[in-house]
Amino acid sequence: DMKVTQMPRYLIKRMGENVLLECGQDMSHETMYWYRQDPGLGLQLIYISYDVDSNSEGDIPKGYRVSRKKREHFSLILDSAKTNQTSVYFCASSKDRGNSGNTLYFGEGSRLIVV
Amino acid sequence: QQQVRQSPQSLTVWEGETTILNCSYEDSTFDYFPWYRQFPGKSPALLIAISLVSNKKEDGRFTIFFNKREKKLSLHITDSQPGDSATYFCAASDSGYNKLTFGKGTVLLVSP
Repeated sequence: DMKVTQMPRYLIKRMGENVLLECGQDMSHETMYWYRQDPGLGLQLIYISYDVDSNSEGDIPKGYRVSRKKREHFSLILDSAKTNQTSVYFCASSKDRGNSGNTLYFGEGSRLIVV
Repeated sequence: QQQVRQSPQSLTVWEGETTILNCSYEDSTFDYFPWYRQFPGKSPALLIAISLVSNKKEDGRFTIFFNKREKKLSLHITDSQPGDSATYFCAASDSGYNKLTFGKGTVLLVSP
């Protein structure tokens, strides 16, 4: 069963606290992504990971970092969370490099509220 | 700079009507254009996609029309159903690059 799993699904943090969002996939996909979704702004790419320890910034990487130590697992870290990082975060994976023709499979999302 | 633009932002149609969602892009290197659909409270999922080699792609009630010269696409949904109510995202990518760029989406409501 092809699945992308995100944990936690819901999280409330105080400003300045660290946040760890985790994502796993069972499809042996090479490429994984972190997006954030805000009302009216669509999906904005934070980071792409092409494989273990091979990560690249997306369009809005500031304030975030990622870690990929195993192919099936990709983490998003917020060091000292800010209120403007309140959002829904989606992890996705695709089969291999090169997006053309590759379907992105999304996780169910992690809703983060920073107060 | 917004590379993929969608219009309208939101749209309400009656059941049975044809829905037309519009998308345009700027980057001439884009060659793959998927549409993703997101139901409320759910994650996006691929609906239909077209590449630069085609002018039209059909899948059941969903059809993409592609005007390469004008860099415009449209998604047509015939016989729209209340179950089609969702947010539709147009996206674009370059085969030599991994990044899929999404538009801001169109929120569709189909009234019975």
